[in-house]
Amino acid sequence: NAGVTQTPKFQVLKTGQSMTLQCAQDMNHNSMYWYRQDPGMGLRLIYYSASEGTTDKGEVPNGYNVSRLNKREFSLRLESAAPSQTSVYFCASSGQPNQPQHFGDGTRLSIL
Amino acid sequence: GQQVMQIPQYQHVQEGEDFTTYCNSSTTLSNIQWYKQRPGGHPVFLIQLVKSGEVKKQKRLTFQFGEAKKNSSLHITATQTTDVGTYFCADTPYSNYQLIWGAGTKLIIKP
Repeated sequence: NAGVTQTPKFQVLKTGQSMTLQCAQDMNHNSMYWYRQDPGMGLRLIYYSASEGTTDKGEVPNGYNVSRLNKREFSLRLESAAPSQTSVYFCASSGQPNQPQHFGDGTRLSIL
Repeated sequence: GQQVMQIPQYQHVQEGEDFTTYCNSSTTLSNIQWYKQRPGGHPVFLIQLVKSGEVKKQKRLTFQFGEAKKNSSLHITATQTTDVGTYFCADTPYSNYQLIWGAGTKLIIKP
């Protein structure tokens, strides 16, 4: 029972490079979320998808784009990475919006 | 916008001592969810409180929702090393689909 799977687990990028973080859930959840967590800090919502076919901005969407590819998969893209985007990125899912969220293990992203 | 204030930011305790973290809001909270994040790990859902004055227990953990639904607390009795981590609360406002997260309280067990 995998739950929420994120790939890759670690990544180092150079400033200006692009990259897509992948997330998939096998719980048949409708809602999916992308968060970032800076060292010693809380969670900040980047984008979310309340249901398949919809996406909305969260608290800190600038510099990111998302795609809800299907009900299982929700990807996060950095078009032109900046050092300020160095962080741990968590994907989460829930059965419905505002129901308890299940998190993936995270992607640790460093941008030099 | 709506904020959830969580205190303290850190708490150092000796193993066996109790620990409490508080979440407060100036506006009425909808439902409160509590999560635990172990060092280097991801947040894990612990419990959801829905009703005014609700109290729920999970072994040594006691969760409370204030009578006015403006505050919530998590109390751990007789802490153990396995309790180390950061505890987050989150409000689930009916008005939108985004949880309003507290900043977290980090529980540190003194050696």
